[in-house]
Amino acid sequence: DIVMTQTPLSLSVTPGQPASISCKSSQSLLHSGGKTYLYWYLQKSGQSPQLLIYELSNRFSGVPDRFSGSGSGTEFTLKISRVEAEDVGVYYCMQSIQIPPTFGQGTKVEIK
Amino acid sequence: QVQLVESGGGVVQPGGSLRLSCAASGFTFRTYGMHWVRQAPGKGLEWVAFIQSDATNKYYTDSVKGRFTISRDNFKNMMYLEMNSLRADDTAVYYCGSFDYWGQGTLVTVSS
Repeated sequence: DIVMTQTPLSLSVTPGQPASISCKSSQSLLHSGGKTYLYWYLQKSGQSPQLLIYELSNRFSGVPDRFSGSGSGTEFTLKISRVEAEDVGVYYCMQSIQIPPTFGQGTKVEIK
Repeated sequence: QVQLVESGGGVVQPGGSLRLSCAASGFTFRTYGMHWVRQAPGKGLEWVAFIQSDATNKYYTDSVKGRFTISRDNFKNMMYLEMNSLRADDTAVYYCGSFDYWGQGTLVTVSS
């Protein structure tokens, strides 16, 4: 199975400041067709996960443009340009290039 | 809009069975592969099973192989997870979804 490793596991951010979460995979997530099968989710307290970024860098419908995804191969980053109070929760990266899909451990983001 | 509603969770004794249901609406269900993902209390996300759009292929995480069966009814826009020989470590909130969207989840508690 592909192992997904997130850092840091927790993050405390001042509103309006940027934040960054790293995700590393044990194998390349670049498919021969050119797509990179890396997703980012946010799970707010008591809710189901909501998709933020799909296929490395594509913002899902309705996701604010302060969220961006980047990276290549085995190293990926989710950036929030200016954190807002509504961004608190646990962020997960996930790979879907190989069965079974696997998730990172999660990064808990809180507001200072 | 897309709606996924899980049901069928509850408390069951070790060795018992449950059948989870997932009702889908707001999208062309029959064209989407669908997943079950679970989250143990206080833990991260774990993929459980996948069924292709036409049900020709099904995949399971190793820990549930031979115990869980995923199925779907494209006429009723429903997906199911038949869970047998349940163990304490199957205790979790179970979410159905397509990677783009997830339902609100249904809690399965395996306890004597």
